[in-house]
Amino acid sequence: EPEVTQTPSHQVTQMGQEVILRCVPISNHLYFYWYRQILGQKVEFLVSFYNNEISEKSEIFDDQFSVERPDGSNFTLKIRSTKLEDSAMYFCASRARTGNTEAFFGQGTRLTVV
Amino acid sequence: DAKTTQPNSMESNEEEPVHLPCNHSTISGTDYIHWYRQLPSQGPEYVIHGLTSNVNNRMASLAIAEDRKSSTLILHRATLRDAAVYYCILRRAGGTSYGKLTFGQGTILTVHP
Repeated sequence: EPEVTQTPSHQVTQMGQEVILRCVPISNHLYFYWYRQILGQKVEFLVSFYNNEISEKSEIFDDQFSVERPDGSNFTLKIRSTKLEDSAMYFCASRARTGNTEAFFGQGTRLTVV
Repeated sequence: DAKTTQPNSMESNEEEPVHLPCNHSTISGTDYIHWYRQLPSQGPEYVIHGLTSNVNNRMASLAIAEDRKSSTLILHRATLRDAAVYYCILRRAGGTSYGKLTFGQGTILTVHP
């Protein structure tokens, strides 16, 4: 069964450092998303990406965040200067097409900022 | 987005049916009802979705009230692997949301052996 793959599974970084989280969505999918989940809290939407551009972003997704689909297979989330409060699980998701199709989520990357 | 209300937690015994309720009294005519679940230490996983009619798939059944103000996710025979947080989410058809999902706190389902 096709799946969304995220790497690394766990990343530890120092405050102020840049970090890139990587995702390989399912190959024929068109819509891509990043969500995050701070420990013990609910899953929060960060950004959606379609047709090589951001289609929607939340208030959390400020200038420190960026997304890219550099080569048609990878989908990355970059945090330019990490803060302690960026520590969370980050989930990538993809969806095949418009309409009410299901979203497929990756296993997540646990980001720890120290 | 219209709001959903779910119980914080529910318990079940293995092999028994589980009915997980969700209230969505402000649902609009174009809102689909989606259910996802999140197993411990994993990403969310799609379970089922519907608009007006009851739906069945290999994982579960979705019963939607006639007025659509509530729905129930039915797990016919709970297993230990079904222990998870279950999220009831409304998603509007069309529009400009591009398919984002707005998660609430969900229902924590505990399954006893």
